Amino acid sequence: KQEVTQIPAALSVPEGENLVLNCSFTDSAIYNLQWFRQDPGKGLTSLLLIQSSQREQTSGRLNASLDKSSGRSTLYIAASQPGDSATYLCAVDPGANNLFFGTGTRLTVIP
Amino acid sequence: DAGVIQSPRHEVTEMGQEVTLRCKPISGHNSLFWYRQTMMRGLELLIYFNNNVPIDDSGMPEDRFSAKMPNASFSTLKIQPSEPRDSAVYFCASSGGLNRGYTFGSGTRLTVV
Repeated sequence: KQEVTQIPAALSVPEGENLVLNCSFTDSAIYNLQWFRQDPGKGLTSLLLIQSSQREQTSGRLNASLDKSSGRSTLYIAASQPGDSATYLCAVDPGANNLFFGTGTRLTVIP
Repeated sequence: DAGVIQSPRHEVTEMGQEVTLRCKPISGHNSLFWYRQTMMRGLELLIYFNNNVPIDDSGMPEDRFSAKMPNASFSTLKIQPSEPRDSAVYFCASSGGLNRGYTFGSGTRLTVV
């Protein structure tokens, strides 16, 4: 069974710092990987989707990379802002109509 | 597009009562998913539909849970009778196909007392 791990579980950084969130998965047979953010008491907002044939995707200050063979993905956030504070979840799609979610990284950006 | 719409946002009910959660997927998306999120277990897939047909309900915890999708724009998740351990946030998500990603609704926070 696919297992998805996110490290660290929590991260606190000062505003303006660049940071990296990590996601690892045990089965490299995936179609894509999706990064979400979840604000407290809210739903999941999709940030980036990387298809298995791609190595990275960028949106604004966010850059996600995928190394399928090693079962790893990173989410890079540049020039962090207090509004980036949220829980970040990665999810892998094995193409079986289910997403396997990591446990998330809770990010706090300190003004 | 208004995204995936769920109702109600919050539901508080007494143990033993029937609860119905509702979802309207994004127009044109042919797959719909119901997830449950708890602190202990994270996000769990309960059931998914493809073209309004239930494909995999192996995640439905018990016979007390049932889901329907009578048409492409509406789905319900029903719990009857509800129990305190059903308290969780229930999310509906839809997808337009492989490699098109999932879009989640805002969720229904269910509390069973």
